[in-house]
Amino acid sequence: EVQLVESGGGLVKPGGSLRVSCAASGFTFSSYSMNWVRQAPGKGLEWVSSISSSSSYIYYADSVKGRFTISRDNAKNSLYLQMNSLRAEDTAVYYCARMQVRGMNWGQGTLVTVSS
Amino acid sequence: EIVMTQSPATLSVSPGERATLSCRASQSVSSNLAWYQQKPGQTPRLLIYGASTRATGIPARFSGSGSGTEFTLTISSLQSEDFAVYYCQQYNNWPPLTFGGGTKVEIK
Repeated sequence: EVQLVESGGGLVKPGGSLRVSCAASGFTFSSYSMNWVRQAPGKGLEWVSSISSSSSYIYYADSVKGRFTISRDNAKNSLYLQMNSLRAEDTAVYYCARMQVRGMNWGQGTLVTVSS
Repeated sequence: EIVMTQSPATLSVSPGERATLSCRASQSVSSNLAWYQQKPGQTPRLLIYGASTRATGIPARFSGSGSGTEFTLTISSLQSEDFAVYYCQQYNNWPPLTFGGGTKVEIK
């Protein structure tokens, strides 16, 4: 069974930094591109970033480009999102997600709150 | 970027009735379209992938149709547990993965 478990969310002040992590199991992590998707309170789903299986290709939404960095450690079956220069509008649940032809697998999400 | 547009934003339906949700893509996504259900405080749940294939464990009352730019999710007879927000998502041309804005199915 595919499992994606996020951690590292919390309360951070505007301008601060936070790193969220995702531990993957139940599939060959190193064979899949991975994604971060977020959902602000009461809002819809927004794709944030993607990383290819070998980290060769990395993409970001314009809203986070230059502030967020996605990375992965295939030896540890882990995905990361380093978030710098955080803004109030970055407040959201951040989901780790695996996209495949049979749809997306989601973690349970981790809440990041940016507030003074 | 492919823009996904869902309609209506809110659908009021009585239990036992049929619900029809629409999703339109700004350009063809072939059949690379998924539908998700989300209840308050929960993670999105995959219902349909490939535009019309039910995911494992999804009841037969959920069906998906369409290809190209026009898609439909039909819930044949609404049960109490089906009242939720539904999102469509294209994965034909990504990144970015793009989602519709959602349709809230509420009790009439």
